[in-house]
Amino acid sequence: GAVVSQHPSRVICKSGTSVKIECRSLDFQATTMFWYRQFPKKSLMLMATSNEGSKATYEQGVEKDKFLINHASLTLSTLTVTSAHPEDSSFYICSARDRKGRGGELFFGEGSRLTVL
Amino acid sequence: AQRVTQPEKLLSVFKGAPVELKCNYSYSGSPELFWYVQYSRQRLQLLLRHISRESIKGFTADLNKGETSFHLKKPFAQEEDSAMYYCALSGQGNTPLVFGKGTRLSVIA
Repeated sequence: GAVVSQHPSRVICKSGTSVKIECRSLDFQATTMFWYRQFPKKSLMLMATSNEGSKATYEQGVEKDKFLINHASLTLSTLTVTSAHPEDSSFYICSARDRKGRGGELFFGEGSRLTVL
Repeated sequence: AQRVTQPEKLLSVFKGAPVELKCNYSYSGSPELFWYVQYSRQRLQLLLRHISRESIKGFTADLNKGETSFHLKKPFAQEEDSAMYYCALSGQGNTPLVFGKGTRLSVIA
């Protein structure tokens, strides 16, 4: 199946700094990628839809100035958490569909655990 | 509005016992339903989807439009089935998946 890779898998940063998380589709192209956030023992919450070559679409309640998304190519989307605070500590997961594939299956990255001190 | 409900946070069963993980959904159109599984320290992966109507690892799920349900079933649970299971819904087109809160299945030897 298709592979989605995230980097870094774990990152620890100081409060007030910015952190960039990369999401790559390794063997397929994705015009759209989705960023989710997973809280401990809770479900995945959709944060935003990343569209190649255009602005991301953010879900209600997600600060677009805080969570910057860039989808520069058909295989790469980045999420930058700006001026991170401890409450931003979470597990961030990206996902994508193969634009040439049939069906609605989403392929998920392994996730990136962010800890803000 | 799209919504997926998994009423059970935790389900514990003995090895060899039948398993049913419940999922109900709310969607105005024709949704596509999925079950994803997350084993310990692994990424989310697709278990099965309703359009394929196949059995994966002994699991099956039938879409019941009348009851708006997509329950996941397995006749005989195995220890390796212990994992977090998420029911998810997708609308038409390239739309994101909406997830339920997940059910943790624990199979006891």
